[in-house]
Order: sequence, then C-alpha cells, then structure tokens
Amino acid sequence: GAVVSQHPSWVICKSGTSVKIECRSLDFQATTMFWYRQFPKQSLMLMATSNEGSKATYEQGVEKDKFLINHASLTLSTLTVTSAHPEDSSFYICSARGGAGWIYEQYFGPGTRLTVT
Amino acid sequence: DAKTTQPPSMDCAEGRAANLPCNHSTISGNEYVYWYRQIHSQGPQYIIHGLKNNETNEMASLIITEDRKSSTLILPHATLRDTAVYYCIVRVAKSGGTSYGKLTFGQGTILTVHP
Repeated sequence: GAVVSQHPSWVICKSGTSVKIECRSLDFQATTMFWYRQFPKQSLMLMATSNEGSKATYEQGVEKDKFLINHASLTLSTLTVTSAHPEDSSFYICSARGGAGWIYEQYFGPGTRLTVT
Repeated sequence: DAKTTQPPSMDCAEGRAANLPCNHSTISGNEYVYWYRQIHSQGPQYIIHGLKNNETNEMASLIITEDRKSSTLILPHATLRDTAVYYCIVRVAKSGGTSYGKLTFGQGTILTVHP
C-alpha cells in the first residue's frame, strides 16, 4: 500500500505556543488530505478535509483559526495548532487519498502525539 | 454515509480464524464497505474493501451478504499482531456531491488475539 508519513511523531509544547505537524504522501500524489484527531479511548474524529491548492473544509465544531491547514502541494499538507492549550493534547492523524480511476484508496499516517503543558 | 454496527469486542485464539461482523442495513447502492484496523498508538491501516462481491487479499477476506446489509471480515489465521481495533465503514467511493466519500469512524471492534 501507499505510504504516508508524519513529522514529528510526538511533540511537547508549552501552553500558548503554536505547533506545526507535517503530513507527506511518499509514493503517490494526494489529491485530498484529511486531518483527524483522537482522544484516549475514543475513535478518530475528522477535523478537516483539504484539496491541493484550495482552502480546507472544516467539520462542524472545529475552529478554523485555531487549526490552520495548508495543502500547498500534492505531497504535503501541514496542520498548525495555534495558541495551543492543554485541551488540545491529542493524537493527530493525517490521511491522504489519491490514485487513478474513480475508486480512491485512503491511507493514514502514523500519527503525531501532541502534549501541551 | 450509512452507519455501521459492530460488536464492541471479540476474542480469538492464535492460529484460528477471526470473523468480525458488521451490520450496515441502510447502505446505499453506491456505497462500498471498507475495513480498517488500528493497532494501539498507530494510524489506521487499510485492510480491504468491497461493493457486493466477496473480496480477498493477502490480509483478509470480505464476505458481503447478497442484500448488502451486513458483512464479515475474516482473518484466516489470526496472530498476536492482529490484536487491534477493527473499523467497518461504508462510504461513497466516487467523489461528487458534497460528501466526497469521507471515512467516518465508529467505535469499532476491539479484537484480542490470545495465545
């Protein structure tokens, strides 16, 4: 299957600072990328969807000014958590979709563990 | 996208087949059944997907009932490394309209493979 990487794999930051998480599709062009968040013992929750070169579409309840998403190329998307607070501590997972034909596979990165102190 | 119902947990002995059921009684004609799994503290891993025919790959088999209202994921010879949360998801495979076939995760089934 296709490979999606994330960097960093874990990060600890102080409250009030901003953190940027990168998501890359390594061996395919991702026409669409997704960002999910997962709290302990809970399922994945979709935060936003982004298409290359377009503004991201955020799910209801997700603050677009707090979670900045940039999908600048077909292989890179970034999520910036601005003015992070302890309640933003979570497991952030990106996913990328692309491929020929109309049946699109979707592959996930390994996740980034964010801890805000 | 249609919703799915899965048992919260299942056990399986190592080396035996693991059969994970999923109900999706409101599935539409253009929705596929997808299976992903998530091993602890990792991103979800794609397993298999299908529309109406049974499917098999190197990881698993997917059996979809004729009325498409339910399906079963089969891991033919479970190993300890198959212990994970398994998610059954139905979604539109072709982009279009407003949904773009988003993957919406439910609670999944926690499969524990024991020695």
